[in-house]
Amino acid sequence: DQQVKQNSPSLSVQEGRISILNCDYTNSMFDYFLWYKKYPAEGPTFLISISSIKDKNEDGRFTVFLNKSAKHLSLHIVPSQPGDSAVYFCAASADYGANSKLTFGKGITLSVRP
Amino acid sequence: NAGVMQNPRHLVRRRGQEARLRCSPMKGHSHVYWYRQLPEEGLKFMVYLQKENIIDESGMPKERFSAEFPKEGPSILRIQQVVRGDSAAYFCASSPALGTTNEKLFFGSGTQLSVL
Repeated sequence: DQQVKQNSPSLSVQEGRISILNCDYTNSMFDYFLWYKKYPAEGPTFLISISSIKDKNEDGRFTVFLNKSAKHLSLHIVPSQPGDSAVYFCAASADYGANSKLTFGKGITLSVRP
Repeated sequence: NAGVMQNPRHLVRRRGQEARLRCSPMKGHSHVYWYRQLPEEGLKFMVYLQKENIIDESGMPKERFSAEFPKEGPSILRIQQVVRGDSAAYFCASSPALGTTNEKLFFGSGTQLSVL
């Protein structure tokens, strides 16, 4: 039973364009959402998060949008850079993310073409 | 994530052997989490520990798996009598204190366990 779904396994975009990575969830108890970036042979690193009381959070080139009614969130990267090529995991937690376990999606492999 | 140290990076075991995975959290962190990533899957929560206490082990298989985080030394994830299905990447993460949000969760580089 996958509670966090990333239905597209891969995405390829041109450098300078926008990358949009999508994520859906099913558990209504989730109230905190995070995106992690992972390079091969490394652990995930935190990228950006959003609480369920917000619908948008922005940090530099990265923006996360949350649509609670649709149980959908997306990560926008603009402009995309070759160094952004990695696997991106969407993750969710309850208790507003305080020391609680994360539920991860399967990840999306982003390739940014020079 | 460079501060969370996991070893070994790669571990090869034959079926029936024991696997011990070690995790040293970042300096000052007293909370440790273990996650497992099976091939083509996302990371799945296994266990959450504080020093000398298991807080949440709802993701641990009921048999053969155990975890500890002693007062001194690293956290250990122990898998007894390994089977091929245990082959996966095992990630440890640490966070500083109770009440901190998940942004403060830092992952190690993982241990790749291969069971022959």
